Amino acid sequence: KQEVTQIPAALSVPEGENLVLNCSFTDSAIYNLQWFRQDPGKGLTSLLLIQSSQREQTSGRLNASLDKSSGRSTLYIAASQPGDSATYLCAGFMDSNYQLIWGAGTKLIIKP
Amino acid sequence: NAGVMQNPRHLVRRRGQEARLRCSPMKGHSHVYWYRQLPEEGLKFMVYLQKENIIDESGMPKERFSAEFPKEGPSILRIQQVVRGDSAAYFCASSPPEGLAGEQYFGPGTRLTVT
Repeated sequence: KQEVTQIPAALSVPEGENLVLNCSFTDSAIYNLQWFRQDPGKGLTSLLLIQSSQREQTSGRLNASLDKSSGRSTLYIAASQPGDSATYLCAGFMDSNYQLIWGAGTKLIIKP
Repeated sequence: NAGVMQNPRHLVRRRGQEARLRCSPMKGHSHVYWYRQLPEEGLKFMVYLQKENIIDESGMPKERFSAEFPKEGPSILRIQQVVRGDSAAYFCASSPPEGLAGEQYFGPGTRLTVT
């Protein structure tokens, strides 16, 4: 059974720092992995989707990597800004059952 | 192209009442997924539907919960005889028939509070 874990559960850093959010999964048969952003009381915004055949994806200040052999993905945020404050969720897609399996999220606070 | 729409955004029900949550997928999308998010937790898969068919309901509680996606109209998640433990955010997502695997577009969610 696939389980997804995110570390840390919460992170508070001053503005301008580069930071790394971690996501680990137990089943390497994961098909792809996505990172989402969730603002309080709001829906989910897809940030990056890494296909099974890819190692990383980049969008602006965000870079996500995927290492299926070690069961890990990282989301790198460069030059953090207060507007980056949100909860970041990773989700693995299992091709076998069409389900997204979610981590519990990392709550990120960027202090001005 | 409007995004995935869910209504109501907030729903308050007393214990024992019924809750109906609606989801209108994006135009051209024929696949709908429902997820539940308990406070301070990640999302949990509930059910995957295509038009008039339930494809996978392995995440649905065995009792009181049902879902449908009729040929016309929105998908409905129905919770009968709600209990306090049903209080959560319920998210709907949709995907096109030929989209990338796992590519799902999410609605803003319905926050259900059971008093």
